[in-house]
Amino acid sequence: QQQVKQSPQSLIVQKGGISIINCAYENTAFDYFPWYQQFPGKGPALLIAIRPDVSEKKEGRFTISFNKSAKQFSLHIMDSQPGDSATYFCAARARALTFGSGTRLQVQP
Amino acid sequence: DTGVSQDPRHKITKRGQNVTFRCDPISEHNRLYWYRQTLGQGPEFLTYFQNEAQLEKSRLLSDRFSAERPKGSFSTLEIQRTEQGDSAMYLCASSLGHNEKLFFGSGTQLSVL
Repeated sequence: QQQVKQSPQSLIVQKGGISIINCAYENTAFDYFPWYQQFPGKGPALLIAIRPDVSEKKEGRFTISFNKSAKQFSLHIMDSQPGDSATYFCAARARALTFGSGTRLQVQP
Repeated sequence: DTGVSQDPRHKITKRGQNVTFRCDPISEHNRLYWYRQTLGQGPEFLTYFQNEAQLEKSRLLSDRFSAERPKGSFSTLEIQRTEQGDSAMYLCASSLGHNEKLFFGSGTQLSVL
């Protein structure tokens, strides 16, 4: 049962562009929505997170937009850099984190 | 290094053998989680501990899987009678509490031949 749906599966962006990854959820018990970044051979690392009482959170080049009524949230990476090339996972937490299926981002120089 | 550490990093075993993985969480983190990740997928929750108590187990955790956290510090995950479908990355994570950030280790890559 996929409780968090993530799209797109892969994304190619030019350096300096904006990367946008979307997620949707169904379980209204989720109370915390983080995004994780994962490089090959490494575990996921927390990037940024948001709680449902906030519609937007920005940290540096990374912004989460949250739409509680639509049960959707998205990650925006501004001024994308080649070093941002990685797999990104959205997640949602009730008792434990449920992850989306991931988006492989490639930022071309 | 004060992060979550996992041992071994890689494990190759033959079908039917038992394997055990170890996770050392960040010091003072009372919550410890096990996840499994297959290629091209997000991590899937297996189980978690609050101190030494195992509070939840996923339906993914068959009877062949057992996890322990005997003194509320490190944890072990054992897989008995391994099957080829058990091949995956096994990730451990820890947090200071329910509402705190979750930190992952680098995982143990299991290959069952």
